[in-house]
Amino acid sequence: AQSVTQPDIHITVSEGASLELRCNYSYGATPYLFWYVQSPGQGLQLLLKYFSGDTLVQGIKGFEAEFKRSQSSFNLRKPSVHWSDAAEYFCAVGPYSGAGSYQLTFGKGTKLSVIP
Amino acid sequence: GAVVSQHPSWVICKSGTSVKIECRSLDFQATTMFWYRQFPKQSLMLMATSNEGSKATYEQGVEKDKFLINHASLTLSTLTVTSAHPEDSSFYICSARDRGRGYEQYFGPGTRLTVT
Repeated sequence: AQSVTQPDIHITVSEGASLELRCNYSYGATPYLFWYVQSPGQGLQLLLKYFSGDTLVQGIKGFEAEFKRSQSSFNLRKPSVHWSDAAEYFCAVGPYSGAGSYQLTFGKGTKLSVIP
Repeated sequence: GAVVSQHPSWVICKSGTSVKIECRSLDFQATTMFWYRQFPKQSLMLMATSNEGSKATYEQGVEKDKFLINHASLTLSTLTVTSAHPEDSSFYICSARDRGRGYEQYFGPGTRLTVT
């Protein structure tokens, strides 16, 4: 069975500092990997995804993530955090069923707090 | 584009009553919708997958007679929690897949259910 581990429950960084959120997955085949952000009262918004190809993926809002198969990791990074980045971040893995639909397995999330 | 709404955003009901939650895709046709449940400080747990015009597929451990899902149109899915109990109190999130935009899921803002 597939699983996702986000080791950090809560991270606090200063505005302008760099950020790395960790994600490790367990999956028997080539994974489809996602990072979502959830703000209070908002739905989950897709930051970026990895299906295949270049292992460094660029997303929205200045985020990027790197897929490392040898480490079963898909860590999210941002070089300079803004106060508006404070939110809950979820890593997810999903198989592609080939039938036009897939299921996602989510990590427990990492809450990001930003100090002005 | 790709906006998903949920109604209500927050509901309180008495034990033993039923509650209906609506999930709508506002600017696209959602052939598939997903219902998740999120506990505090926990990840999203997939409850069921519904395809328009057919019966929902429930995940193991989810009572299909308690959580009734209807996907009667390409823009609307409903989740009815029947005979609600306090342990059903949770945050319920829906997502929708737009076949025309690939295989991404677009998430609603969630519905907070409190059963007293």
